[in-house]
Amino acid sequence: GQNIDQPTEMTATEGAIVQINCTYQTSGFNGLFWYQQHAGEAPTFLSYNVLDGLEEKGRFSSFLSRSKGYSYLLLKELQMKDSASYLCAVKDSNYQLIWGAGTKLIIKP
Amino acid sequence: DTAVSQTPKYLVTQMGNDKSIKCEQNLGHDTMYWYKQDSKKFLKIMFSYNNKELIINETVPNRFSPKSPDKAHLNLHINSLELGDSAVYFCASSQEGPGRGNEKLFFGSGTQLSVL
Repeated sequence: GQNIDQPTEMTATEGAIVQINCTYQTSGFNGLFWYQQHAGEAPTFLSYNVLDGLEEKGRFSSFLSRSKGYSYLLLKELQMKDSASYLCAVKDSNYQLIWGAGTKLIIKP
Repeated sequence: DTAVSQTPKYLVTQMGNDKSIKCEQNLGHDTMYWYKQDSKKFLKIMFSYNNKELIINETVPNRFSPKSPDKAHLNLHINSLELGDSAVYFCASSQEGPGRGNEKLFFGSGTQLSVL
C-alpha cells in the first residue's frame, strides 16, 4: 500500500529552528509537497520538491532524498504564527496526491 | 477577493437529509477538486473536474454527486446523509490538471459537516 509517515506532534520554542520529517512509500514518485494548515483553516502551499536537494524559501526550506523516500521541512527563526499543522503529500506514478496526516507544530514563547 | 470560496462554513443536519455544498473559484483555473478531511486529519480526494469534465472519481458512495455547471464552480450534493459523513470538506482548484507533477492546490476554507 501507499504510505506517508510524519510525526503527529512537535513542540519548539519561538526563535528556534525545527525540522519536520516525512517518509513515504508510494508506487512511483512525481513530486513532494508541503502544505501549512492553521487550525480551522484551509491548507496553503509551502513548497514543492521533485529533484534531490534543498529548496530554500525565506525562513522555510524543504529537502528531498528520493533514494531514501525522505523529505524534511526546516523552519527557522520560529514565530508564534508558525503554530499550525504541516502536511506532507506525494504524487505517485498516476499523479495522484497521497497525503500524510500532518504534523501539529506547537510554538512556545 | 477570496480565490476559492465555499459555502456554508458549517453545516449541521440530521441523518437521512440531503444537503449541498457550493464552491466557486475566481482564479481562472481549469481544474477543481473535492477533498474530505476526516477526524484523523487525512485529506482524501473525492472528485476532480477539468473544464467541467469528471476526471477523478475515487471510491465514494454514490450518495455523493458533484456538479460542475462551468469551470469556475464545483458543487457537491450529498443524499441520505449518514453519521460517517461527518468531516470537513474542502474544495480546491489548480491551474493545470492532476496529470502535471507540480500543480499547486488552492483550497477553500472548508465546510464542517456534522450529521446528528
